[in-house]
Amino acid sequence: SQQGEEDPQALSIQEGENATMNCSYKTSINNLQWYRQNSGRGLVHLILIRSNEREKHSGRLRVTLDTSKKSSSLLITASRAADTASYFCATGGGSNYKLTFGKGTLLTVNP
Amino acid sequence: DGGITQSPKYLFRKEGQNVTLSCEQNLNHDAMYWYRQDPGQGLRLIYYSQIVNDFQKGDIAEGYSVSREKKESFPLTVTSAQKNPTAFYLCASSIITTGPNQPQHFGDGTRLSIL
Repeated sequence: SQQGEEDPQALSIQEGENATMNCSYKTSINNLQWYRQNSGRGLVHLILIRSNEREKHSGRLRVTLDTSKKSSSLLITASRAADTASYFCATGGGSNYKLTFGKGTLLTVNP
Repeated sequence: DGGITQSPKYLFRKEGQNVTLSCEQNLNHDAMYWYRQDPGQGLRLIYYSQIVNDFQKGDIAEGYSVSREKKESFPLTVTSAQKNPTAFYLCASSIITTGPNQPQHFGDGTRLSIL
């Protein structure tokens, strides 16, 4: 399985601080994606990084990918209470359509 | 607005009963997916479909069935053979390209419980 595993499982920070979540996976991939899930809702796509990219930015989000270590990190800068959610990494490999999701990191941002 | 609509939001199943979860999308996406999410867990793929009248089993297809008669619709039936159906079910869709995986768009889920 290519399943990603996020670390830590839970993270609690104060508003304004940065939050870093990590994802490790086991086999080669062609891209890695990060999603957010608010409680009781569906997942929302945040950012996609291809295997030949090392870093990508989108607003307050920064994603890095190290294929030699089979790991990725998601950094949320200047966090807000509205960032409170679960964050999942998903890896894509041989099939163009299937993604394999990790178990997620629950981020709590305290006002 | 384009999106994915799942219904109902909550569903209760009696022992021995089949229940069907609806998923409709107006994004003109070719691919559709069904996932199961258990508390504190990631998503596990049940079935997926890349084209009308064709679908493939995912990692946990036993006890479930699907159909894809229209591009916009991908209903999931939870059969009585699924002994532990209590979970949050998510439907998703994506475009298909020759390049790497495309982002998936999700509905807001159906929470299924056993009576």
